[in-house]
Amino acid sequence: EAGVTQSPTHLIKTRGQQATLRCSPISGHTSVYWYQQALGLGLQFLLWYDEGEERNRGNFPPRFSGRQFPNYSSELNVNALELEDSALYLCASSLGGDSYNEQFFGPGTRLTVL
Amino acid sequence: AQSVTQLDSQVPVFEEAPVELRCNYSSSVSVYLFWYVQYPNQGLQLLLKYLSGSTLVKGINGFEAEFNKSQTSFHLRKPSVHISDTAEYFCAVRTGGSQGNLIFGKGTKLSVKP
Repeated sequence: EAGVTQSPTHLIKTRGQQATLRCSPISGHTSVYWYQQALGLGLQFLLWYDEGEERNRGNFPPRFSGRQFPNYSSELNVNALELEDSALYLCASSLGGDSYNEQFFGPGTRLTVL
Repeated sequence: AQSVTQLDSQVPVFEEAPVELRCNYSSSVSVYLFWYVQYPNQGLQLLLKYLSGSTLVKGINGFEAEFNKSQTSFHLRKPSVHISDTAEYFCAVRTGGSQGNLIFGKGTKLSVKP
């Protein structure tokens, strides 16, 4: 069974540009979560999508947005990139939003903003 | 608000020695607790989880953790570590209900020396 996949592996952008990160969940999983892992800040929750709807959002500005497609894959968009957006962005999927469902993580997309 | 504190940012140990990685959480409601491991340049892998029942939880790779409600702790232990256990370990919490996302501690880097 294929795990959670993310693309691209690495992404280099300049300040002010937009970045689009993609995530494909494990087959059968309807929930997708996005986390940011920035140096020194640990793992911070960004967004949670379930059945195509945004269910919860972390403490991030509106220029971080995303969506979930009918096939449950997801996109994270970061507009007006700032230097501090440089981080590893991890996507996770689960069977649903219930708290006891394990989240399976992808390998991440490393975003570098110059 | 929930929070997770990992008391040690780095733990150096010698191979075959025992190790304990400490985790304390703060929550006024029932919680589900998790330990994840992150090897260099990889995503997160679930080591073990506590949902209910026995307070001693056994996970993969010989790790175990004990849930202590009175001390709000969920420390991770291994009786004898290997070089291959060198990685970063994250403690995480989810509350019951529909919050969805995990709240992570800042991580503990375990360095196993020969």
